[in-house]
Amino acid sequence: KQEVTQIPAALSVPEGENLVLNCSFTDSAIYNLQWFRQDPGKGLTSLLLIQSSQREQTSGRLNASLDKSSGRSTLYIAASQPGDSATYLCAVRSARQLTFGSGTQLTVLP
Amino acid sequence: NAGVMQNPRHLVRRRGQEARLRCSPMKGHSHVYWYRQLPEEGLKFMVYLQKENIIDESGMPKERFSAEFPKEGPSILRIQQVVRGDSAAYFCASSPLGDSNSPLHFGNGTRLTVT
Repeated sequence: KQEVTQIPAALSVPEGENLVLNCSFTDSAIYNLQWFRQDPGKGLTSLLLIQSSQREQTSGRLNASLDKSSGRSTLYIAASQPGDSATYLCAVRSARQLTFGSGTQLTVLP
Repeated sequence: NAGVMQNPRHLVRRRGQEARLRCSPMKGHSHVYWYRQLPEEGLKFMVYLQKENIIDESGMPKERFSAEFPKEGPSILRIQQVVRGDSAAYFCASSPLGDSNSPLHFGNGTRLTVT
């Protein structure tokens, strides 16, 4: 059974810092990995999708990497802003479902 | 192109009543997934449906919960005789294909409160 772990559970940084969020998964037989953002009381916004054959994806200030063999992914956020404050969720895709981690709650202080 | 639409956004039910949650997938999407997010917890898979078929219901509680995705109309998640422990946010996602490389697109969720 796939298990997804995200570290840290919460992170608070001053504005402008670069930061890294970590995600690990137990079963490397995945199709892809997706990073989402969730604001309080809201739905999920897809940030980046990395296919299992890819090593990284970039979108603006976000860069996600994937090391399938070691079961790890990182989300790098450059030059953080207060508007980046949210919960970031990592999810890995198997044949029939997406398995989520519990998320990292990020607070960027002005 | 409208995204995944869920309604209602908020639903309040008394213990013992029925709750019906609706999900209209994105246009052209024929695969629907339901997830539940309990307070202070992550999202847990419940069920995966195609039109008129349940593909995987391994995450559904054995009693009181059912889901359907008819040929016409939205997907429905039905909870009978709700209890306080059913209070959660229920999210629906859709994809265009059963292809596991397709990204899932999520709705804004229905927040169920059982009083």
